[in-house]
Amino acid sequence: QSALTQPRSVSGSPGQSVTVSCTGTSSDVGGYNYVSWYQHHPGKAPKVMIYDVDQRPSGVPDRFSGSKSGNTASLTISGLQAEDEADYYCCSYAGYFTLLFGGGTKVTVL
Amino acid sequence: QLLESGGGFVQPGGSLRLSCAASGFTFSNHVMNWVRQAPGKGLEWVSAISGSGRDTFYADSVKGRFTISRDNSKSTLYLQMDTLRAEDTALYYCARNGGGLGVWGQGTMVTVSS
Repeated sequence: QSALTQPRSVSGSPGQSVTVSCTGTSSDVGGYNYVSWYQHHPGKAPKVMIYDVDQRPSGVPDRFSGSKSGNTASLTISGLQAEDEADYYCCSYAGYFTLLFGGGTKVTVL
Repeated sequence: QLLESGGGFVQPGGSLRLSCAASGFTFSNHVMNWVRQAPGKGLEWVSAISGSGRDTFYADSVKGRFTISRDNSKSTLYLQMDTLRAEDTALYYCARNGGGLGVWGQGTMVTVSS
């Protein structure tokens, strides 16, 4: 059960787009369309931003989008805003009710 | 809403039982999870339990030491943690399946140290 691979950090200026990648294997990311993304501000509970690869929960701004190609999933934040600065974690179903998280990516708004 | 409790300070080898009280939804309809975050580290899935409680699942790092359970009559999830190690020190969250992990509690801190 190795963690999914995410870049440690990405950054962008307000209004720009940033993409966070999440690489796994055919046993997790590549094997199921159950990748989700979580925004985590220190001291607060994580919040789901994308689920089932590209589904956006009610209330999540449409500047957040998800996709997947092979064993790599991606979260794109378009029109970056100051409040988007946070840690982002990907998570994939890995079979038999188990979940696998990525190591987390710190998104910085310059 | 989910509200965790039961965290605290314990010595290595000790035990602790976490609880997660649910409200605002039909508890028995949902798979429930425990997820933890060690200081300065990322999120780690720990365990899951089916809606009926019949099926349980664990990360390799806690298998054989932790036991997940639920009481649907009380809308409460539990995590019995035995043979605790220093590396179990973390903020423990409970989270509900449904739209990914769609609902999270605020977490309860567990510190394992001599």
